[in-house]
Amino acid sequence: TQLLEQSPQFLSIQEGENLTVYCNSSSVFSSLQWYRQEPGEGPVLLVTVVTGGEVKKLKRLTFQFGDARKDSSLHITAAQPGDTGLYLCAGAPVRSVGTSYGKLTFGQGTILTVHP
Amino acid sequence: ETGVTQSPTHLIKTRGQQVTLRCSSQSGHNTVSWYQQALGQGPQFIFQYYREEENGRGNFPPRFSGLQFPNYSSELNVNALELDDSALYLCASSRTPGGYGYTFGSGTRLTVV
Repeated sequence: TQLLEQSPQFLSIQEGENLTVYCNSSSVFSSLQWYRQEPGEGPVLLVTVVTGGEVKKLKRLTFQFGDARKDSSLHITAAQPGDTGLYLCAGAPVRSVGTSYGKLTFGQGTILTVHP
Repeated sequence: ETGVTQSPTHLIKTRGQQVTLRCSSQSGHNTVSWYQQALGQGPQFIFQYYREEENGRGNFPPRFSGLQFPNYSSELNVNALELDDSALYLCASSRTPGGYGYTFGSGTRLTVV
């Protein structure tokens, strides 16, 4: 069974601070996806990283996929109150016989609160 | 293009009852996946439907079943409801079954009392 450990579970910071969320596993994934979820809404895809060592930037958000494709991080620079929400990482399995390759394994999420 | 639509948005059922949740996939998407999200947890994969066939299943008992229709919309059925079935049920559609490019609906909040 593939598991994704996400940390920290809760993060409460002031506007302007930087933060990093980590997503770790002992399993290899074909890709790692990051989602943001608002209360009462479904997750919204932020980015997909596919290649080991890949770094993607989305404005103030930087996503990195580990070289071994087992871990990922999300770094937010100069956080703003609008960044508040639940951040989820999700791994897609490596395709092999018997694998439900459409199954995403989610971490338990990081609840981020940015205070003005 | 329209997104993923789920109905109903909220539902309260009694333990032992049966429930059907519905999902309309995004235009152009032929794959629908269902996830259960308990409070304070990440979503858990229930199953996926691709071209009207079940295409993978997570660790959920057989009382969780589904259907996909020719227009790619889908239903999730849960029989013999238990208190632990209380959760947000999310539907996600995609162009392919390969775990990429998911668009999630807003979910159905099911409460079992």
